[in-house]
Amino acid sequence: DIQMTQSPSSMSASLGDTVTITCLASQDIGNYLSWYQQKPGKSPKLMIYGATNLEDGVPSRFSGSRSGSDYSLTINSLGYDDEGIYHCHQYYEYPLTFGSGTKLEIK
Amino acid sequence: QIQLVQSGPELKKPGESVKISCKASGYTFTDYAMHWVKQVPGKGLKWMGWINTYTGKPTYADDFKGRFVFSLEASASTANLQISNLKNEDTANVFCARGDRYNPHVMDAWGQGASVTVSS
Repeated sequence: DIQMTQSPSSMSASLGDTVTITCLASQDIGNYLSWYQQKPGKSPKLMIYGATNLEDGVPSRFSGSRSGSDYSLTINSLGYDDEGIYHCHQYYEYPLTFGSGTKLEIK
Repeated sequence: QIQLVQSGPELKKPGESVKISCKASGYTFTDYAMHWVKQVPGKGLKWMGWINTYTGKPTYADDFKGRFVFSLEASASTANLQISNLKNEDTANVFCARGDRYNPHVMDAWGQGASVTVSS
């Protein structure tokens, strides 16, 4: 199975900051990588797919990038609404797998 | 608007069975895949598998072969997950999630989740 190593596991940042969350794939997954945001008690929401493509309706403050097997989610101009858990997800091959999640807290 | 509405919370004993439903609305049901994802409270997401809503063909992750069955009631735009011989480790929130039309393994809409608690 493809392992997605996500870091950090948790982080705290201030309003207006820029943060970056990363996922390292254990083998080549091309651009078959998506990011989801999950708020407490809610279901995940698709933010980024194809490593860099913004889902419709997601603010342009969110962006995705790739460098080799490293995938990043960057959030600019942090707001309180960005608080939650972020999950990366590879859909290159079965079984589809997720990272362990990054809990983002806004100070 | 697109909605996936799942059935309510379930409290079961070990060895019992449970059926979780996921009713879709706001789009053509058979044009999009349906995935099932497990989340133990406080933990990460685990993909259980998916079902092709056009052909009815299910694909199961290895950890979900045997006791888990995906099925459809296409006329009712509903996908179902049945779990038999429940074990304590089946306690979790289970989500249905729609697969994007052109990237069927990108999950672009999710149900609200169904809580399954297995306890004697």
